Amino acid sequence: DAGITQSPRYKITETGRQVTLMCHQTWSHSYMFWYRQDLGHGLRLIYYSAAADITDKGEVPDGYVVSRSKTENFPLTLESATRSQTSVYFCASRGIKETQYFGPGTRLLVL
Amino acid sequence: KQEVTQIPAALSVPEGENLVLNCSFTDSAIYNLQWFRQDPGKGLTSLLLIQSSQREQTSGRLNASLDKSSGRSTLYIAASQPGDSATYLCAGGVGNQFYFGTGTSLTVIP
Repeated sequence: DAGITQSPRYKITETGRQVTLMCHQTWSHSYMFWYRQDLGHGLRLIYYSAAADITDKGEVPDGYVVSRSKTENFPLTLESATRSQTSVYFCASRGIKETQYFGPGTRLLVL
Repeated sequence: KQEVTQIPAALSVPEGENLVLNCSFTDSAIYNLQWFRQDPGKGLTSLLLIQSSQREQTSGRLNASLDKSSGRSTLYIAASQPGDSATYLCAGGVGNQFYFGTGTSLTVIP
């Protein structure tokens, strides 16, 4: 089906490990976004991308790395996971008329 | 930095009641405002998007308004139903970023 998919949906890892969260969209939207959602903070933008090979920092980029070699994929990597990165991560893309479409989320627990 | 506030944090209403959810923002330079619905354990579903040049948008029982001068947006839900129970979030677009409120958790009691 068309839309945005995220994988894995659930992930448990240990402090210091590298983790990559995957995001794939089928619409060929130019803009894609990564957010994290935490109680009391709402959704905060980590990184966004305006097109393939163009990425920029959001509000909370520290500890994260992104890449976008293809329009449809926008992976998010935690280079050395910390407990403070335990969160729910959402990928989104921006379509016509600026509407944002969200994936189902990845629940990450860092022990 | 854009600050987005949603009050109240939680709201319970009996089925059939009309209700208004509030969203306020600090930066009037927003170019659009989007309302979302989030069900427990799920992603966000877009409900309505209002461009900065518009005053309101309607979809079925939902009506969203935007007043940039006062820094406010409202989401009006008519004839509420138990299926409307969810968390409603607003987000203001500034530049290439969207700034989200923390949401209003709505419970519609049958």
